[in-house]
Amino acid sequence: DTEVTQTPKHLVMGMTNKKSLKCEQHMGHRAMYWYKQKAKKPPELMFVYSYEKLSINESVPSRFSPECPNSSLLNLHLHALQPEDSALYLCASSRQAGSSYNEQFFGPGTRLTVL
Amino acid sequence: QQQVKQSPQSLIVQKGGISIINCAYENTAFDYFPWYQQFPGKGPALLIAIRPDVSEKKEGRFTISFNKSAKQFSLHIMDSQPGDSATYFCAALEYGNKLVFGAGTILRVKS
Repeated sequence: DTEVTQTPKHLVMGMTNKKSLKCEQHMGHRAMYWYKQKAKKPPELMFVYSYEKLSINESVPSRFSPECPNSSLLNLHLHALQPEDSALYLCASSRQAGSSYNEQFFGPGTRLTVL
Repeated sequence: QQQVKQSPQSLIVQKGGISIINCAYENTAFDYFPWYQQFPGKGPALLIAIRPDVSEKKEGRFTISFNKSAKQFSLHIMDSQPGDSATYFCAALEYGNKLVFGAGTILRVKS
């Protein structure tokens, strides 16, 4: 099973709302990632969690707050977003971070629209 | 600064033809080179990947060619089918963590 699931599929929120994106994998992977993808652009790394600890934050604004409650779950908490934050948010997982040949498997993404 | 340069931006191929997408990189710290296929509204799907100590890898109709000295690698899709129409991203892995993507190639296979 190489499946990464994400909920919700679509999310529309106002700039004052607080919402969360969820990601789950049951492959026993110990590294999980959040990426942001704008239309017609490649995914851009936001955060890396390794063994449930945040290991990389690519200078992401604090209105995005990641959380890794356990090795299978990854959340992204959203607060006071801007319209330019509208994008496809992708979760990925891999066996472990920091090793070569680190295959990353992506979920289907959450399409976020900020009004 | 674009660390992985991908070309062409778009590609139209006749059904049964060969689709070729090229990528180049500068950072010698990259040690793993995957290709992803993405359909509209979906997440990227891992297609095939290669290590820098291998010059070629083939899986079905998909082949990666890797030239370490030139720091270039390419994806060949043999017998291209309309179902292959998608956006293809090359990528390179840095320090086992950070996946750096090329800009993407939109492939259209005409039937």
